[in-house]
Amino acid sequence: DGGITQSPKYLFRKEGQNVTLSCEQNLNHDAMYWYRQDPGQGLRLIYYSQIVNDFQKGDIAEGYSVSREKKESFPLTVTSAQKNPTAFYLCASSFDSANTEAFFGQGTRLTVV
Amino acid sequence: AQSVTQLDSQVPVFEEAPVELRCNYSSSVSVYLFWYVQYPNQGLQLLLKYLSGSTLVKGINGFEAEFNKSQTSFHLRKPSVHISDTAEYFCAVITNQAGTALIFGKGTTLSVSS
Repeated sequence: DGGITQSPKYLFRKEGQNVTLSCEQNLNHDAMYWYRQDPGQGLRLIYYSQIVNDFQKGDIAEGYSVSREKKESFPLTVTSAQKNPTAFYLCASSFDSANTEAFFGQGTRLTVV
Repeated sequence: AQSVTQLDSQVPVFEEAPVELRCNYSSSVSVYLFWYVQYPNQGLQLLLKYLSGSTLVKGINGFEAEFNKSQTSFHLRKPSVHISDTAEYFCAVITNQAGTALIFGKGTTLSVSS
């Protein structure tokens, strides 16, 4: 089945540790996105990528980093510089970055203790 | 830059009642509009989208929305809701220019009770 896979579904880390969230898609989509979801805040854009080896900062990129070495993969690293990393993280992809709909993964809930 | 405002954070309704979830947007260029639904601890699923053409768009699960350019609105409606419609609903907008990303509203929690 085609789709977007995020792993793991739940992730626990100690404060001060970097952590990488995985996002893989087999939809042959060019564009991929990372959003952060907090209660009452909606989805806020962290980073997005329109093509391999290229990505742009979203509204809340501070404390996060990404890479896009392969079309299928767009991992997100939550660094120790992120002040409040506990949140639900959603990855999405679309055929291109213009008018087509985005398809979402099931999310990763990160808890930093 | 574009933005999206969902006017109600929570909407409680009784089963079989009609519902409207309101969404307004702002943008200096043409936009495309979407409604997504999210069930607890899951990703988002597309309900419907407006790209062009008829301003009344129909989606899955009996939902529909009307694009109103003069009022910059894209309200979501359903004539009769079910318990299973209880979820969070997000309105989203993207411009027709390459290199942009979907921008979401803060969401509306629809709670359907019997």
